Amino acid sequence: DQQVKQNSPSLSVQEGRISILNCDYTNSMFDYFLWYKKYPAEGPTFLISISSIKDKNEDGRFTVFLNKSAKHLSLHIVPSQPGDSAVYFCAASEGAGSYQLTFGKGTKLSVIP
Amino acid sequence: ETGVTQTPRHLVMGMTNKKSLKCEQHLGHNAMYWYKQSAKKPLELMFVYSLEERVENNSVPSRFSPECPNSSHLFLHLHTLQPEDSALYLCASSQEPYGTGGPYEQYFGPGTRLTVT
Repeated sequence: DQQVKQNSPSLSVQEGRISILNCDYTNSMFDYFLWYKKYPAEGPTFLISISSIKDKNEDGRFTVFLNKSAKHLSLHIVPSQPGDSAVYFCAASEGAGSYQLTFGKGTKLSVIP
Repeated sequence: ETGVTQTPRHLVMGMTNKKSLKCEQHLGHNAMYWYKQSAKKPLELMFVYSLEERVENNSVPSRFSPECPNSSHLFLHLHTLQPEDSALYLCASSQEPYGTGGPYEQYFGPGTRLTVT
């Protein structure tokens, strides 16, 4: 059974608008969450992370929100740019000392000029 | 070279062949990972090496054999693979998370696209 779920396989957004990518998890031991971006023929690139002691982390155009009670996190990209078109993976870890990252299947974002 | 590099980028092999995948990281990290990404499945962790010792093996068949000769290099030796082993194999590295206040983000190479015929 998947412990990290990205229920939307794809998302299309107009350039300049907000992109919201969602991720749900089931394992209550997860306490560190990451987002990765992947272009075709490249490996995943680390984007942003959040620890469970926070509910928001911001880095430029990218903000991650964590709702622990709902076991839900989201990545907001604003404003969206065509170069943001990629597959976005949500990943989770059980925290300090853990090697294991559990990934979702990814959401393909298309930003339309 | 910077980041994490992997060779070859593409590999086609028969079921009776023996081949090796190579990974090198230029980030000064001391933990390295092999992942498998099959079509329509999430990335699956296969092996973890920390300070050149294998610390995790996620029930991977013995036809996959990892080797970590030093903290910068990681190999995945392949023999008598099956067609269902066709996938993208990704290498990653990170700072060693155990007892150092991690976790730390992992940095990935571009992957080797493996096809078993």
